[in-house]
Amino acid sequence: AQKVTQAQTEISVVEKEDVTLDCVYETRDTTYYLFWYKQPPSGELVFLIRRNSFDEQNEISGRYSWNFQKSTSSFNFTITASQVVDSAVYFCALSEAGTGNQFYFGTGTSLTVIP
Amino acid sequence: EPEVTQTPSHQVTQMGQEVILRCVPISNHLYFYWYRQILGQKVEFLVSFYNNEISEKSEIFDDQFSVERPDGSNFTLKIRSTKLEDSAMYFCASSVGMGGTEAFFGQGTRLTVV
Repeated sequence: AQKVTQAQTEISVVEKEDVTLDCVYETRDTTYYLFWYKQPPSGELVFLIRRNSFDEQNEISGRYSWNFQKSTSSFNFTITASQVVDSAVYFCALSEAGTGNQFYFGTGTSLTVIP
Repeated sequence: EPEVTQTPSHQVTQMGQEVILRCVPISNHLYFYWYRQILGQKVEFLVSFYNNEISEKSEIFDDQFSVERPDGSNFTLKIRSTKLEDSAMYFCASSVGMGGTEAFFGQGTRLTVV
């Protein structure tokens, strides 16, 4: 079974629009960690954010914000006023305390921001 | 800013040949990983390494694969006899600790087996 599901395969938005990338996870561990990584066209994986299962506070960092809801097992990522440089593949990932530090990645959402 | 570096960025090899992918993790990190990403697919865990031994490995990491930390700075992934299906982007990562610590990834090595 998929531990991390990113149902949106591809999204296109026009510059300055807001966009939300969905992530739904599945785990039986009570202690777990959620991450978002960005993969620009150059191919590297860039760490964006980490959340642990005990901290449901939403977080805002500039134009980025994350909404963690344990009740729906979701960890969604919103980009406000999108820019062309936001075009990338975004991966949500899960790490469970019971399995060390192995990351389970979702299949990624490819975001294209059209100028 | 410290970063994970990988060499080479792209390697082409013939089927059946051995390849070694190299990584220099961030210097104060203690945990090291290899992941791979087949083109257009998700990133998959291969192996984690701590205290000079494998701490966890996936089903993908069979006897064809091995990892080594030959000195204080390098971390290598060896594929003994490459197959066409080994073609992928291979990412090295490192982290300070376990338990959900964020991992920092290198820029990847694109391996093409022909």
